[in-house]
Amino acid sequence: EVQLVESGGDLVQPGGSLRLSCAASGFTFSRSWMSWVRQAPGKGLEWVANINQAGSEKYYVDSVRGRFTISRDNAKNSLYLQMNSLRVDDTAVYYCAKGRGLDNWGQGTLVTVSS
Amino acid sequence: DAVMTQSPLSLPVTLGQPASISCRSSQSLVSSDGNTYLNWFQQRPGQSPRRLIYEVSNRDSGVPDRFSGSGSGTDFTLKISRVEAEDVGVYYCMQGTHSPPWTFGQGTRVDIK
Repeated sequence: EVQLVESGGDLVQPGGSLRLSCAASGFTFSRSWMSWVRQAPGKGLEWVANINQAGSEKYYVDSVRGRFTISRDNAKNSLYLQMNSLRVDDTAVYYCAKGRGLDNWGQGTLVTVSS
Repeated sequence: DAVMTQSPLSLPVTLGQPASISCRSSQSLVSSDGNTYLNWFQQRPGQSPRRLIYEVSNRDSGVPDRFSGSGSGTDFTLKISRVEAEDVGVYYCMQGTHSPPWTFGQGTRVDIK
């Protein structure tokens, strides 16, 4: 059974940084693209970033490019999202999802950016 | 970017009756490889999203056969043949053909009349 468990969400001040993690199990992590998707409170889904199997291809939505960095550690079956220069409008639940087609999702981790 | 537009945004349905959600793309979603990367997701209240349908009409494992997807080009539909109480939630379409970025529709809220 595929399991994705996010962690690292917290309350942070505008301009601050946070690193999210996603622990994967139940599938061959090193063979899968991985994605981050977020959902602001009461709002819809927004794709944030994804990364290929080797970590050599990374894509970002325009609003986070240059501030967020997606990475992975295949030896640890883990996906990461380093978030810098956080803004109030980055407040959301951040989901880790398997593949570019988002075939499995984690439970999400809440990031709140507020002073 | 491919803009995805869903309708209606709110859909009250009667238990046991059919329901239909439309998703339209600003560009054809037929990829250069011949596939059409249009997926449907369900998000029940308080839960994470779950993929129901991939590449227009393929049901994911464990998805009841009352859910079906259809369409081509720019127009797509998710149908529920007979709505059950557990189908309450928000449904999203998402395209992956013109990516990045991968883009979602606004979501359609399904509830029981």
